[in-house]
Order: sequence, then structure tokens, then C-alpha cells
Amino acid sequence: KQEVTQIPAALSVPEGENLVLNCSFTDSAIYNLQWFRQDPGKGLTSLLLIQSSQREQTSGRLNASLDKSSGRSTLYIAASQPGDSATYLCAAPSSGTYKYIFGTGTRLKVLA
Amino acid sequence: GAVVSQHPSRVICKSGTSVKIECRSLDFQATTMFWYRQFPKQSLMLMATSNEGSKATYEQGVEKDKFLINHASLTLSTLTVTSAHPEDSSFYICSARDFYGYTFGSGTRLTVV
Repeated sequence: KQEVTQIPAALSVPEGENLVLNCSFTDSAIYNLQWFRQDPGKGLTSLLLIQSSQREQTSGRLNASLDKSSGRSTLYIAASQPGDSATYLCAAPSSGTYKYIFGTGTRLKVLA
Repeated sequence: GAVVSQHPSRVICKSGTSVKIECRSLDFQATTMFWYRQFPKQSLMLMATSNEGSKATYEQGVEKDKFLINHASLTLSTLTVTSAHPEDSSFYICSARDFYGYTFGSGTRLTVV
């Protein structure tokens, strides 16, 4: 059974810092992994989708990596801004299915 | 890219009434859709798998008679919360399988008063 864990649970950084959010999953037989952003009281915004054949995906200041063998993915945010403050969720499909299992998220606060 | 539209985005209803949430795939056909629920300060949990033309499959602990799912067409799945109570207040979100993977709707925040 797939389990997804995110560390840290919360993070507060000054503006301009580069930061790394971690996601680990127990079942490495995944075909992709997704990172999402969720603002308080709002819905999900898809940030990056990494296919199992890829090791990295980049979008602007965001870079996500995937290491299936170690069961880890990281989301790198460069030059953080106060507008990046949100909860970041990663999700991986449960083994042999298309059901996504979500991590508990990392609540990020970027201080101006 | 693929777009999943979810409606309404927010709804407030009285206890005992039913609420219907729609999930539409706008530019692709989706034979399978998923419904998730998120309680405050918790992550999203899968509620059920919706299959076009057949009965939904519910996860353990989810009451199928309370959360009615209908997937009558290849572009529309609906979730009806029947006889809603305050404890059903939550954030509900759907996802649909597209060519590249799974696209998520923006979610519906349900408040039962």
C-alpha cells in the first residue's frame, strides 16, 4: 500500500532563499508523481508532473526531481517570494492503480 | 492541456438538504474519475472511483448511500452529498484521467450549517 510522507510539515523562510521540499513514497512502482500548490481555503493548482521515465521537471523557479529507486522526490523553489506562501502537496499513485495518494503537505511561509 | 472543471467552487447548505457537485472534463473524454475529500488541516483522501456507465467503487469507510456518484457520460461525473450534516463540511475535489496522466479540478468547498 502506497504511503506518501512530506518533510518538513511547515517551513518559514526569508524572501529570496532557495528551498527544498521533500516527498517520500513507499511503493516505487509509480508511473508518475505530481506536485500541487494549495492556497488557504482554495483548490489545488498543479505545479509539476514527473513521469516515471523522467528525473526532473522544471517550470520557472520550480524544479522537481524524482528518484524512484530511493522513493523520493524533491521540489526546489529558487529565489522564494512571499507569493510562494502556500501548502505544497505531492501525490503518487497507489501500486497498480490510478488512485493518487497525497502527502500531508508542507506549509510554506515566505517572509517579506 | 487537459482541463477539468468543477462546479460549484463554494456552496453553503442547510443541514438535511442534498448538494450536487459536478466534475466535467472539458477537452477530453474521461472513462474514470476520482473523488477526494479534504478535512481541515488534513490531506486529501480518496473517497471513490467513478466509472462511466457503471457503479462507483467506494473506499473503505465511505458511505455509498450518503455520497451518491453518477458518471453518466464520458465528460461528466457528479457527487451528491445526501442529507448533509455539519460533519460533511469539507473540501471535495475530483480528478480525471487524460492522455498524460490525471488532471484535477479546482475543488468545491462545502459548508453545512
